[in-house]
Amino acid sequence: SSELTQDPAVSVALGQTVRITCQGDSLRSYYASWYQQKPGQAPVLVIYGKNNRPSGIPDRFSGSSSGNTASLTITGAQAEDEADYYCNSRDSSGNHLAAFGGGTKLTVL
Amino acid sequence: QVQLQESGPGLVKPSETLSLTCTVSGGSISSYYWSWIRQPPGKGLEWIGYIYYSGSTNYNPSLKSRVTISVDTSKNQFSLKLSSVTAADTAVYYCARGNDYYDSSGYYRVLDYWGQGTLVTVSS
Repeated sequence: SSELTQDPAVSVALGQTVRITCQGDSLRSYYASWYQQKPGQAPVLVIYGKNNRPSGIPDRFSGSSSGNTASLTITGAQAEDEADYYCNSRDSSGNHLAAFGGGTKLTVL
Repeated sequence: QVQLQESGPGLVKPSETLSLTCTVSGGSISSYYWSWIRQPPGKGLEWIGYIYYSGSTNYNPSLKSRVTISVDTSKNQFSLKLSSVTAADTAVYYCARGNDYYDSSGYYRVLDYWGQGTLVTVSS
């Protein structure tokens, strides 16, 4: 089983705000990064660190963290945001990249 | 623009060794962590391991006994070997670049460029 836990599925109405969460003990010490994956495509990095967006990622994507929970928030969700989202962080031994969450399927209604 | 491309057999027999190569173009293979990640059909992502350009490696403990990742800087390529495969190793295999980013809170290793992925099926 994964060291990082995500809700399997979340839905949001078009234009509304949605929060996708990731829980795990390692998140008390390390920030998570977030990847978006659309069907048949490779994952794309959308958020990393405290709250950083790579170039080209819309500013409606933001990240936060509290205790053992990391969150990805999409403010004003668009139809093109419908995808699977995965959190990633170090594992309990501190190994970089080693822990992925199980993924959350986001549906935009 | 950095691009990564996986190559290798799409079908491997049980008990044999899966071998894949990732070719990096548009940038140097130096100074990054070159990674392999896999995704079984309909399931989530699993980190396999990575190699630093200098040759040091770090592997998923659950796969460590079967995994070897190597790098050929002269060809801008890195490779994955997974031995004694079973049907459970059937997956899309991705190669990706691990890069360290810094801010006021510390540094983070993330996967900032990915290959398109290649499906490897383990079957007789």
